[in-house]
Amino acid sequence: KQEVTQIPAALSVPEGENLVLNCSFTDSAIYNLQWFRQDPGKGLTSLLLIQSSQREQTSGRLNASLDKSSGRSTLYIAASQPGDSATYLCAVRSDAGGTSYGKLTFGQGTILTVHP
Amino acid sequence: ETGVTQTPRHLVMGMTNKKSLKCEQHLGHNAMYWYKQSAKKPLELMFVYSLEERVENNSVPSRFSPECPNSSHLFLHLHTLQPEDSALYLCASSLGRALGEQYFGPGTRLTVT
Repeated sequence: KQEVTQIPAALSVPEGENLVLNCSFTDSAIYNLQWFRQDPGKGLTSLLLIQSSQREQTSGRLNASLDKSSGRSTLYIAASQPGDSATYLCAVRSDAGGTSYGKLTFGQGTILTVHP
Repeated sequence: ETGVTQTPRHLVMGMTNKKSLKCEQHLGHNAMYWYKQSAKKPLELMFVYSLEERVENNSVPSRFSPECPNSSHLFLHLHTLQPEDSALYLCASSLGRALGEQYFGPGTRLTVT
């Protein structure tokens, strides 16, 4: 059974700092890994999707890396801003190729606060 | 409307009530999902529909009954719920069953009294 762990559970940083969020998963047989952002009381916004064959993906100030063999992914946020404050969720897609459709296993998230 | 929409956004119901949650996607996707997000727990997959056929039921109690009449609409029918069913219920959709990126709706905040 796939398990996803995110560290730290919460992080508070001053504006402008570069930061790293960590995600680890127990079963390295994955199709892809997705990072999401969730604002309080709202749905999820997809940030980055990394296929299992890729090592990293970049979007603006965000960079996500994937080391499938070690079961780890990191989300790097450059020059953080107060608007980045949210919960960041990591989700791993494990698919048995016919029995499980698009099943994502989520971590519990990292609550990020960027203060001015 | 664009993306994935959910109604109602907030719902308070008694344990003997029957209500339904609605999800609609305007992205041309062919797979839809229900998730439950409880306080201090990871998101849990409940149901998956691919091409309107239920392809996964993740050990969800029968008091939750999904319905997918077409590829754009998904319902979650609720009856005789328990207080521990209070949670944020999220709908998502994707193109394709395995590799498609999932897009989420804003969720319905359900409170069972």
